Amino acid sequence: AQSVSQHNHHVILSEAASLELGCNYSYGGTVNLFWYVQYPGQHLQLLLKYFSGDPLVKGIKGFEAEFIKSKFSFNLRKPSVQWSDTAEYFCAVNATWKGGGNKLTFGTGTQQKVE
Amino acid sequence: GAVVSQHPSWVICKSGTSVKIECRSLDFQATTMFWYRQFPKQSLMLMATSNEGSKATYEQGVEKDKFLINHASLTLSTLTVTSAHPEDSSFYICSARVAAGGPHEQYFGPGTRLTVT
Repeated sequence: AQSVSQHNHHVILSEAASLELGCNYSYGGTVNLFWYVQYPGQHLQLLLKYFSGDPLVKGIKGFEAEFIKSKFSFNLRKPSVQWSDTAEYFCAVNATWKGGGNKLTFGTGTQQKVE
Repeated sequence: GAVVSQHPSWVICKSGTSVKIECRSLDFQATTMFWYRQFPKQSLMLMATSNEGSKATYEQGVEKDKFLINHASLTLSTLTVTSAHPEDSSFYICSARVAAGGPHEQYFGPGTRLTVT
């Protein structure tokens, strides 16, 4: 079974600081990777996704993530955070396998606060 | 585009009663919808996957007789919590995916806060 781990549960940053949130997954097959964001009081929104191709993917609001297959990682980065980036961030993995299996597994989330 | 709505956004019910939550894809047809449960300060846990016109597939540990899912059309799925108990109090979130079988992202609804007293 696939699993996703996010190393940082709570992160506090100052405005303009750089952000990196770790995400590792365990699954040996083909995966699709996602980062979602949940702003206070709002629903989950897709930040970015990786399906194939260039392992460095760029998403909305200046976020990017790098897929490193050998490390089973998909870390989220932003060079300079803003107060409006205060939110909870979820890494998710969608593993595909023969027979039509296709399920999104979420990490536990990282609460990110910008002060 | 790709908007998913849920109704109600919050509901309070008495122990032993049933509650129905609706999930609608507003501007696209969803062949597959998913129901998640989110506990405070925890991640989303997939409860079940429903495909239009067929029975839902429940995750291990989820009681299918307690959490009834109906996906009668390509734009509507419902989750009914039967004989609700306080431990069923949670945040229920649905999502919808456009195409079955492919690596397409899911679009999430705003969630429904259920409180059972």
